[in-house]
Amino acid sequence: EPEVTQTPSHQVTQMGQEVILRCVPISNHLYFYWYRQILGQKVEFLVSFYNNEISEKSEIFDDQFSVERPDGSNFTLKIRSTKLEDSAMYFCASSGAGGRNTGELFFGEGSRLTVL
Amino acid sequence: KQEVTQIPAALSVPEGENLVLNCSFTDSAIYNLQWFRQDPGKGLTSLLLIQSSQREQTSGRLNASLDKSSGRSTLYIAASQPGDSATYLCATQSSGDKLTFGTGTRLAVRP
Repeated sequence: EPEVTQTPSHQVTQMGQEVILRCVPISNHLYFYWYRQILGQKVEFLVSFYNNEISEKSEIFDDQFSVERPDGSNFTLKIRSTKLEDSAMYFCASSGAGGRNTGELFFGEGSRLTVL
Repeated sequence: KQEVTQIPAALSVPEGENLVLNCSFTDSAIYNLQWFRQDPGKGLTSLLLIQSSQREQTSGRLNASLDKSSGRSTLYIAASQPGDSATYLCATQSSGDKLTFGTGTRLAVRP
């Protein structure tokens, strides 16, 4: 069964360092997302991406964050200068079989980011 | 702004019991509602997706209902098994692309 894959599964970094989290969405999907979950808290929306551009972003997704689809398969989240409060599990998701607003989202296993 | 609440926060039941998990949301203008399962330290596994025009969806021992007008959804698990132990999350999609998640119900099924 097709699945969303994410790398790395866990990354430890020093405050102020740049981090890139990588995702390979399901191949025929058109909509891509990043969510995050701080330990013990709700899953929160960060950004959605369609047709090579951001379609929606939350207030969390400030200038320190960026997303890119560098080729036909990868979808990346970059944090330019990490802060302690960026420590969280970051989930990539994709949808597209049913189109926007009707599609089921499929999530990856997550990338745990620890900022020291 | 959509708020999603799940009750109870935690539930422990003996194996074999039928159980109901509740999800409520404040903005009834949703496109769909999705139930997920999350194992500790793991990703989210989609269980059921209910479109706004639907009343319920079934998959195996799981049945999810949706009452949009009252802002409620329930997930019914029949004949629970220890392998059902996990956190169950509901999420709504309303305006735009994003899902709004509840805090989840942590389920433990005792053998």
